[in-house]
Amino acid sequence: AQKVTQAQTEISVVEKEDVTLDCVYETRDTTYYLFWYKQPPSGELVFLIRRNSFDEQNEISGRYSWNFQKSTSSFNFTITASQVVDSAVYFCALSSAGGTSYGKLTFGQGTILTVHP
Amino acid sequence: DSGVTQTPKHLITATGQRVTLRCSPRSGDLSVYWYQQSLDQGLQFLIQYYNGEERAKGNILERFSAQQFPDLHSELNLSSLELGDSALYFCASARQGSTYNEQFFGPGTRLTVL
Repeated sequence: AQKVTQAQTEISVVEKEDVTLDCVYETRDTTYYLFWYKQPPSGELVFLIRRNSFDEQNEISGRYSWNFQKSTSSFNFTITASQVVDSAVYFCALSSAGGTSYGKLTFGQGTILTVHP
Repeated sequence: DSGVTQTPKHLITATGQRVTLRCSPRSGDLSVYWYQQSLDQGLQFLIQYYNGEERAKGNILERFSAQQFPDLHSELNLSSLELGDSALYFCASARQGSTYNEQFFGPGTRLTVL
């Protein structure tokens, strides 16, 4: 069975602070993919990043960075110098190659990030 | 804009009724996934289609059914609706139906059952 845990239900920061969103996953498969999605107040789900289980290199995209650590089954997401527009719900998700999953995503419960001006 | 379209945006109906939600995938995408987002269950996978064929099933109730048509658009049919079916229903599409494909989500259909 697959599981994704986002232990932080809500995080509140002031603009320009750095913030890290935690994600811990469980899977028995050796090949899997991890994703982060953003859900702004408008409601749509926006794809942010995909990472495969064989690539533990950290990734940076502008103010966003991701830290993948297979040893601790974690895939954390950091926003540097947060802005009000970063306020959203962030979901971590897992797609596993085993069985008949065919790419279905297992989502965490989401972390509500509020950035105050 | 992800390129995935869903209609209608909002739907309000009564218990016991039947509704149809429609999804058009991004151009070139062969796979369609349906997800349900509710406050108590979070985001849950319902069903996946690939090039017209059902590929995988998740926590989809027997009262719910779906299909993907030759033009690749998909419909999710919800019948004998209950109050607990009120949720945001997302459709996502992917190039193939594989594990590594990122899925692009439509804007969702918000269903309210009164």
